[in-house]
Amino acid sequence: EVQLVESGGGLVQPGGSLRLSCAASGFTFSSYAMSWVRQAPGKGLEWASVIINNGGDTFYADSVKGRFTISRDNSKNTLYLQMNSLGADDTAVYYCAKFRGVMMTEWYFDLWGRGTLVTVSS
Amino acid sequence: QSVLTQPPSVSGAPGQTVTISCTGSSSNIGASSDVHWYQQLPGTAPRLLIYANTNRPSGVPDRFSGSKSGTSASLAITGLQAEDEADYYCQSYDNGVSGWVFGGGTKLTVL
Repeated sequence: EVQLVESGGGLVQPGGSLRLSCAASGFTFSSYAMSWVRQAPGKGLEWASVIINNGGDTFYADSVKGRFTISRDNSKNTLYLQMNSLGADDTAVYYCAKFRGVMMTEWYFDLWGRGTLVTVSS
Repeated sequence: QSVLTQPPSVSGAPGQTVTISCTGSSSNIGASSDVHWYQQLPGTAPRLLIYANTNRPSGVPDRFSGSKSGTSASLAITGLQAEDEADYYCQSYDNGVSGWVFGGGTKLTVL
């Protein structure tokens, strides 16, 4: 079955850190760029970060740049998001999503996980 | 404030047609970046509805269609059904922010 399964969410104090994981199955993980998209409670979708298929390049939204690090282990078909210096604004459901398309201007998310909730609160 | 602008809500009766607009700028849709649409049913993850402006993935009913012109795009839903009640998001790539951007989302209510 083609799927993405996120894990690692939970309650963390402001200023704390958390590492999310996303296990992929049913497709050739190493062939696709992967991304994290987040959604604050009652709000819209926000792209956070992307890593290309071989892990050689990464991109971040300004809102997470310098605090979040995306990485992947193609031998384990797993995507990661290391989140540091967390604040209340980072409270959201974090979705793992698979990118599809040739050029970056064409990329779209063709497969989504169910998401994992991160709550930043004291 | 989202880079792509969508109406917060639209509504229609069963069987009717509704259209959801997505307005961008010369740094995204107007720069020839593709527009894609997602449907998010209550309490679930988003799912791809339309890709590359006009294309439907397998399994998406042909009641859903997309179009793009200039700096805007639209999603049309014909023969509205109760199960279409959801949030809809447009997405594109923006040269200005050098990243992927979403519209603020449109809540569709089936009356």
